[in-house]
Amino acid sequence: QTVVTQEPSLTVSPGGTVTLTCASSTGAVTSGYHANWFQQKPGQPPRSLIYSTSNKHSWTPARFSGSLLGGKAALTLSGVQPEDEAEYYCLLYYPGRVFGGGTKLTVL
Amino acid sequence: EVQLVESGGGLVQPGGSLRLSCADSGFTFSKYWMSWVRQAPGKGLEWVAIIKEDESEKYYVDSVKGRFTISRDNAKNSLYLEMNSLRPEDTAVYYCVRDQGSNSGMDVWGQGTTVTVSS
Repeated sequence: QTVVTQEPSLTVSPGGTVTLTCASSTGAVTSGYHANWFQQKPGQPPRSLIYSTSNKHSWTPARFSGSLLGGKAALTLSGVQPEDEAEYYCLLYYPGRVFGGGTKLTVL
Repeated sequence: EVQLVESGGGLVQPGGSLRLSCADSGFTFSKYWMSWVRQAPGKGLEWVAIIKEDESEKYYVDSVKGRFTISRDNAKNSLYLEMNSLRPEDTAVYYCVRDQGSNSGMDVWGQGTTVTVSS
């Protein structure tokens, strides 16, 4: 059973920078896993931010960026805003798709 | 406006069945792969199933194989999830998602429909 692991929680100050990571139990995450990142706020459906490792949608704020870092997929928020406080999920493609457990980001 | 609207959720007893539907508007439904994703109360997201544009390929998470069936009717711009032999652990909000894979990811989500499996 494939497991995708994220940090359970992170805290960042407004204006700061934070990196969330996404690891696979099968080994290093590569571009072939087409990592996706989603943001979810309470009571709302998830919203896609990043697809295929580093590609942004038209609605994705410029302060969000995706990359591969040390064998993991990574989501970096630069210049964090209070409204970025949310749960963030990564998704990796295997045969099928597997979500990570989510990272609760607190802006404090 | 591109939109997905789920329906069909409700309360069902363990061992029972339920059929979820998802209707689209604002895009050419027949051109896209579609997925179902669920979220148990207070828990994270779980991908459930995916179907190709022409129904020629379908994939499921192991926990629902043999119990759930994903299907679609392109003439009605609709996606379905037939759920049988339901278990309490299937209790969740079920989201319908436009799934463009590596082209544009899971870019459109419905608001979800709630399924509760309880006696």
